[in-house]
Amino acid sequence: DAGVIQSPRHEVTEMGQEVTLRCKPISGHDYLFWYRQTMMRGLELLIYFNNNVPIDDSGMPEDRFSAKMPNASFSTLKIQPSEPRDSAVYFCASSFRDPSYGYTFGSGTRLTVV
Amino acid sequence: KQEVTQIPAALSVPEGENLVLNCSFTDSAIYNLQWFRQDPGKGLTSLLLIQSSQREQTSGRLNASLDKSSGRSTLYIAASQPGDSATYLCAVRRSSNTGKLIFGQGTTLQVKP
Repeated sequence: DAGVIQSPRHEVTEMGQEVTLRCKPISGHDYLFWYRQTMMRGLELLIYFNNNVPIDDSGMPEDRFSAKMPNASFSTLKIQPSEPRDSAVYFCASSFRDPSYGYTFGSGTRLTVV
Repeated sequence: KQEVTQIPAALSVPEGENLVLNCSFTDSAIYNLQWFRQDPGKGLTSLLLIQSSQREQTSGRLNASLDKSSGRSTLYIAASQPGDSATYLCAVRRSSNTGKLIFGQGTTLQVKP
C-alpha cells in the first residue's frame, strides 16, 4: 500500500482564493482525520470521519473551512475564502477499526496564503 | 481542558547516550497515550501506544512509561543514534468515545555523531 496520499504537497495562493486539499486514505481504513500544524499552536485536530460520516468537527476554525468524504477512498478539505492566518501544514491520517491503532499520517500539504 | 506539555523543546546529545523525553498532561482521565516521531517535511509515525491500564511499552531501543495519576509519560531512548534525530510528540486520547488526539508541542532531538 502506498500509505496515506495527500495532494498537493505545496500550495501557494492569494488571500481570498479558494483552496482544496485532497486525501486518499489507506484502503480498508475506516477512520480519517484532518490535522493542522503550526509553530504557534502545534498539531490540532480539525475534523474526523468514521465510515465517511463526520464525527467531530469541533476543531474546524470557522465557516470558511469545510470537509467532505464522499466515499471511503477520498476526502477533501476546503478553505473559502483563504486568509494568511490559514498558512500551515495540513495533515491527513487514517486508521483501521479503532482510532488508536494503525494510525498513519500522510506527508502533509504545506499551504501558504499570501 | 486537557493540555499536553513536552519538556524540553529541544535536546542535543552525543551518539550513544541514553536519554529521556518528558510528556505531561493536565487531566489524568485518559484512554491511552501515544508517542510519535516526525521527520522534517514528513508526516508522523506512531512509535508506541500505552493504554491507560498499562505502565509501559517497549519497542527495540524505545521504552515508554505512563504514570496516569501524576499525569506523566516518558520516552526512553537507549544508545541513541544519529538516525534518531527527529521531533518526538506525545498525544493523549481522552476516552474510547472519541478518536481525537491532543498533542504536545514536541521535543526536537539532535543526536550528534
